[in-house]
Amino acid sequence: AQSVTQLDSHVSVSEGTPVLLRCNYSSSYSPSLFWYVQHPNKGLQLLLKYTSAATLVKGINGFEAEFKKSETSFHLTKPSAHMSDAAEYFCVVSGYSGGGADGLTFGKGTHLIIQP
Amino acid sequence: KAGVTQTPRYLIKTRGQQVTLSCSPISGHRSVSWYQQTPGQGLQFLFEYFSETQRNKGNFPGRFSGRQFSNSRSEMNVSTLELGDSALYLCASSLEGANTGELFFGEGSRLTVL
Repeated sequence: AQSVTQLDSHVSVSEGTPVLLRCNYSSSYSPSLFWYVQHPNKGLQLLLKYTSAATLVKGINGFEAEFKKSETSFHLTKPSAHMSDAAEYFCVVSGYSGGGADGLTFGKGTHLIIQP
Repeated sequence: KAGVTQTPRYLIKTRGQQVTLSCSPISGHRSVSWYQQTPGQGLQFLFEYFSETQRNKGNFPGRFSGRQFSNSRSEMNVSTLELGDSALYLCASSLEGANTGELFFGEGSRLTVL
């Protein structure tokens, strides 16, 4: 079985300051991990993915995430927040167990608020 | 290229009715997966179809069903609607399958059950 926990339901930062969205995961096997973003009334868009290559993953719009196996974490960061970053962010884990594909498991989401 | 198209975008039904939602994937994508999004439960996987076969299924009752056509378009059906079925239903298409995580989502169909 696999699970993902997003540690903050809401994060508020000022424009131009760093962003940190935290995600911990649990998986029986080596997982693939993803971050998606959802703007209001829109579908989800893939920001970045980790699939057992480099542990520091760069994504779109200046976001990056670091896979830390020892901490079972995959936190999302951005050096400088922009007003357009205000959205809901989802951490997602994908893996396989003895029974086959476990499918995708989504975190509950973190609502990112950008203060002007 | 055109993105994932979901229809209808909004609909209102009453308890006991049934509903059919449609999803047209990106051209060339053979995988279509469906998700239910609610404020309380978040995003939950419903099922995935790949080349007209159901490949994986989430933990939902049998009232939720789906199918995929030879042109990869997919439909999901919910029968005997309950108030708790009110949600945003998202579909996503993928070239190699939902488990790769590289999904392209539509904007969703927002269902309200009265």
